[in-house]
Amino acid sequence: AQSVTQPDIHITVSEGASLELRCNYSYGATPYLFWYVQSPGQGLQLLLKYFSGDTLVQGIKGFEAEFKRSQSSFNLRKPSVHWSDAAEYFCAVVPVSGGYNKLIFGAGTRLAVHP
Amino acid sequence: DGGITQSPKYLFRKEGQNVTLSCEQNLNHDAMYWYRQDPGQGLRLIYYSQIVNDFQKGDIAEGYSVSREKKESFPLTVTSAQKNPTAFYLCASRQTGPAGETQYFGPGTRLLVL
Repeated sequence: AQSVTQPDIHITVSEGASLELRCNYSYGATPYLFWYVQSPGQGLQLLLKYFSGDTLVQGIKGFEAEFKRSQSSFNLRKPSVHWSDAAEYFCAVVPVSGGYNKLIFGAGTRLAVHP
Repeated sequence: DGGITQSPKYLFRKEGQNVTLSCEQNLNHDAMYWYRQDPGQGLRLIYYSQIVNDFQKGDIAEGYSVSREKKESFPLTVTSAQKNPTAFYLCASRQTGPAGETQYFGPGTRLLVL
């Protein structure tokens, strides 16, 4: 079955430390890939996306993600975390099939930031 | 400002009552979506509409209904048949282009049962 896996439910980092959030997907072909962020009680904000081309993509708020086809992964990174980055992060994919393309979400990773 | 608006921010439903959540977009997007979010879970698709006057069931459509009479509007009705409606509801619209497609989300409506 098609799925998106975010292995870490909760992650805690210190302010100023680096961050990597993991995302793996199970599809035959390369899907469209997305990372969204959600603050408590808010909607989802798009951080970055990958359709094709350069496998390292830059997003807003200093985030980047790298697509690795061999590992079916699209991990999100930030070199130095700020307290305002505390939120829930969702990886999502659109398995491109030529018909209706459904957006499928991982379960999310909740990030806490220690001062 | 272009974007997606949802109202109300909070909604209370009594037993046996139907309630309607509003979603409006001024992004000129053809496709719109409704998702349900429960604690500790990702988003699950309730209904989607790819064009005016057309919509399809998503993964958890039972107990919900929608309409799409205008491009800008995609209201969701939570009917009395939905036995566990307490959740956070998110509306989205989809931008398409030659390179790919992206969904953008509204601020959400939290539905609580009295």
